[in-house]
Parts: sequence; C-alpha cells; structure tokens
Amino acid sequence: NAGVTQTPKFQVLKTGQSMTLQCAQDMNHEYMSWYRQDPGMGLRLIHYSVGAGITDQGEVPNGYNVSRSTTEDFPLRLLSAAPSQTSVYFCASYGRIYGYTFGSGTRLTVV
Amino acid sequence: AQTVTQSQPEMSVQEAETVTLSCTYDTSENNYYLFWYKQPPSRQMILVIRQEAYKQQNATENRFSVNFQKAAKSFSLKISDSQLGDTAMYFCASLITQGGSEKLVFGKGTKLTVNP
Repeated sequence: NAGVTQTPKFQVLKTGQSMTLQCAQDMNHEYMSWYRQDPGMGLRLIHYSVGAGITDQGEVPNGYNVSRSTTEDFPLRLLSAAPSQTSVYFCASYGRIYGYTFGSGTRLTVV
Repeated sequence: AQTVTQSQPEMSVQEAETVTLSCTYDTSENNYYLFWYKQPPSRQMILVIRQEAYKQQNATENRFSVNFQKAAKSFSLKISDSQLGDTAMYFCASLITQGGSEKLVFGKGTKLTVNP
C-alpha cells in the first residue's frame, strides 16, 4: 500500500547516544517533513524538504539534522540525544492530490 | 507568522449527540487550506475533513462538517450523531504555500471523549 513508512516504532536511548529515525514514502512526493508531538503542544515542525538535496528548518530544529539524498527517503538524525527530545515523532509527505500523509509515528524515550 | 489556536483542551459528549470543536487561525496569506485531523489512541493521524479557503461552501464528510468563517478566521468542526469511535484527539491545522514550499501548522489539540 502506498504511504509513509517510519521505523522504528519505539526506541529508548541513553543521554548522549545518537540514532536515526527512518522515513520512506512511495508516492513520489517532493515535500516531506518531520514533526514532534508533545503533550499539550500539538505537532511542531522540526525540519522539512521540498525535494532531493533541499532541506530547511522548521519551528524546533535544534538538536536534529536531516538530509534528502533521494525523493523517497528523509531520515532524521539525533546526534547527541537529550531527555528534552523524549517525544513522539511523525514523518509526513505532501502531495496535491491526497494532501498530507503521515507515518505511524516513533515513540522515543531518552533516559 | 501563522498560528492555529484550539481553545478547548478537553471536551466530552454523550453518544448520539452533537459536539462542536473550535479553532481559530491567523494567516496573512489569501490562498490556504484548513484541516481537521483525528488521532485515536493508535497514534495514527487521520484526515477528517479539509476546506479550501477560496471556497465559501462549508465542507462536509458524512457526520463531520465545518463552519468556516473566513473573515473571522474561524474553522470549527461539528460532529453529529457522536459515536464511541470518535473518541480521540482532534487537531486543527492550516496549510499555506509560501515561496514554493508548503507548511502545515497545528493547533495544540482537543481531547474528545464520547460517553456511552
């Protein structure tokens, strides 16, 4: 089925560890984005990309890196995890026909 | 700056009754879209309904309808004949196209509980 695939679904990290959240879409969407969801805060935009090779910062980019080498993939990297990055992360892609399609989310806990 | 405000952190309704969730937004753009998303306990973000700003007619999807007041920048969601499966977080969001990129901005959400 066409859509956005996020891995992993759950992750526990120790402070200072690094990891990459994977996101892939098969809808040939140019636009992809990462959000974090915290209680009482809604979803906040971390980084986004309007196409391969192009990325830009959203509302809360600090502590996160992204790259977009292909249309399909948009990984989110935490270089040195902090407890403040404990959150649920959503990847989304956007196309004019179907609008936004969200992945199923990654629940990240940093201890 | 683009902002979306949901003033009701929590709401409850009896099964089969009607409930309205409020949303206001602020944008200087003329061309934008508005959405309501549902997030059940499964965490999946599900599109409920969307409205194009240039359309005056309010969008409707089965039991879900919106009251779009462009001048007041208001976009409320009405759920008719509420069902237990409607229990979820509901997020209002606005999408603008600016400089060739689209940005989706969310409100903080309303937790809706449908009681039997």
